[in-house]
Amino acid sequence: AQTVTQSQPEMSVQEAETVTLSCTYDTSENNYYLFWYKQPPSRQMILVIRQEAYKQQNATENRFSVNFQKAAKSFSLKISDSQLGDTAMYFCAFMKSIYSGGGADGLTFGKGTHLIIQP
Amino acid sequence: GAVVSQHPSRVICKSGTSVKIECRSLDFQATTMFWYRQFPKQSLMLMATSNEGSKATYEQGVEKDKFLINHASLTLSTLTVTSAHPEDSSFYICSAVNSGGNTDTQYFGPGTRLTVL
Repeated sequence: AQTVTQSQPEMSVQEAETVTLSCTYDTSENNYYLFWYKQPPSRQMILVIRQEAYKQQNATENRFSVNFQKAAKSFSLKISDSQLGDTAMYFCAFMKSIYSGGGADGLTFGKGTHLIIQP
Repeated sequence: GAVVSQHPSRVICKSGTSVKIECRSLDFQATTMFWYRQFPKQSLMLMATSNEGSKATYEQGVEKDKFLINHASLTLSTLTVTSAHPEDSSFYICSAVNSGGNTDTQYFGPGTRLTVL
């Protein structure tokens, strides 16, 4: 079984600042995916960014980027030029690769970090 | 593209009754869907994997006779909470995997808030 740990229950930064959310995980799998999801007050889960474990290059999506350290099992999310609309719960999630056998797998989520962007 | 809907968005029922929640993939086919449960101010917990045309796979600790899952078509999975009790009150979220696309990405529905009185 895998576990995902987010050690920051809440973070608050000023608009336009850069913020980093931390995530560590534990698994015995070799092939897997890591995700960051955003859950605003509407509670709709929104995919922010994904990373394939076999890729060494860190994923980036506009203002969002990750620092993936496979050996350390660390997967942090950096948000640059933060905006008021970034205020939300952020969940780090793990999924075993379909190529590990057994078809598509469910996600294991961390407990989340409540990010507040102050004007 | 990749839109998933859930119905109803909110439901209130009396203790002892059964409630059915629908999860639909609107613009893609989904061989596999997932059901999650989220308690207030907590994370999402995987309840079960729903596979079209076969029995669902339940996570440890989830009662399969209480949470009935049916995935009768490639675009619809239903979760029925049978003989609901107040402790079943929660936010239920489904996700779907596009069978014809990127199978490592799940698309989430907007969730259903269940309140059992």
